[in-house]
Amino acid sequence: NAGVMQNPRHLVRRRGQEARLRCSPMKGHSHVYWYRQLPEEGLKFMVYLQKENIIDESGMPKERFSAEFPKEGPSILRIQQVVRGDSAAYFCASSSGSSSYEQYFGPGTRLTVT
Amino acid sequence: AQSVSQHNHHVILSEAASLELGCNYSYGGTVNLFWYVQYPGQHLQLLLKYFSGDPLVKGIKGFEAEFIKSKFSFNLRKPSVQWSDTAEYFCAAWFSGNTPLVFGKGTRLSVIA
Repeated sequence: NAGVMQNPRHLVRRRGQEARLRCSPMKGHSHVYWYRQLPEEGLKFMVYLQKENIIDESGMPKERFSAEFPKEGPSILRIQQVVRGDSAAYFCASSSGSSSYEQYFGPGTRLTVT
Repeated sequence: AQSVSQHNHHVILSEAASLELGCNYSYGGTVNLFWYVQYPGQHLQLLLKYFSGDPLVKGIKGFEAEFIKSKFSFNLRKPSVQWSDTAEYFCAAWFSGNTPLVFGKGTRLSVIA
């Protein structure tokens, strides 16, 4: 019974490059959440998606960040033209439709921008 | 605004000492509460959760937490810590009407021999 999967686990990008982070939810889950953990901080919500829909993106920076959850395949968090301040751990969580408060977390992707 | 506060940034304990980590939330409505643990280099794992019912919740690895509504608190406890409990502990809340979890900043626990 596979849990939430994220890849890559570690990603190094130079300033100005693009970063793509992938998340496959738990089997049977159709809701995906992205959180960012900055050093010495707790997790901050970024975006909530269901299949083919963005439900809540109130935590997403207005520029350079985008997310999608296509009908087939994993959810993707995309960061264009990365800057040093984007260095963080990005966690994905998933839930079933009936209990959005019961979220299961993936191992995270640690993004380092050099 | 709805928020979760963890008062202790870093706690250092000797093995076998008792642990209590504070967590408070600000919201007057229905709330579901969680404690997560993050061992070094690993992902978040759910320790325990409170939705309703008995305010004293038992979790994995000997942890428990007590929901005190009048104090808006959900403190985590363990009677006797072990070196393997060294980790970061996050309190989180789900507030009714919202979807994402709101996390506290975390408490780093270091257990020394």
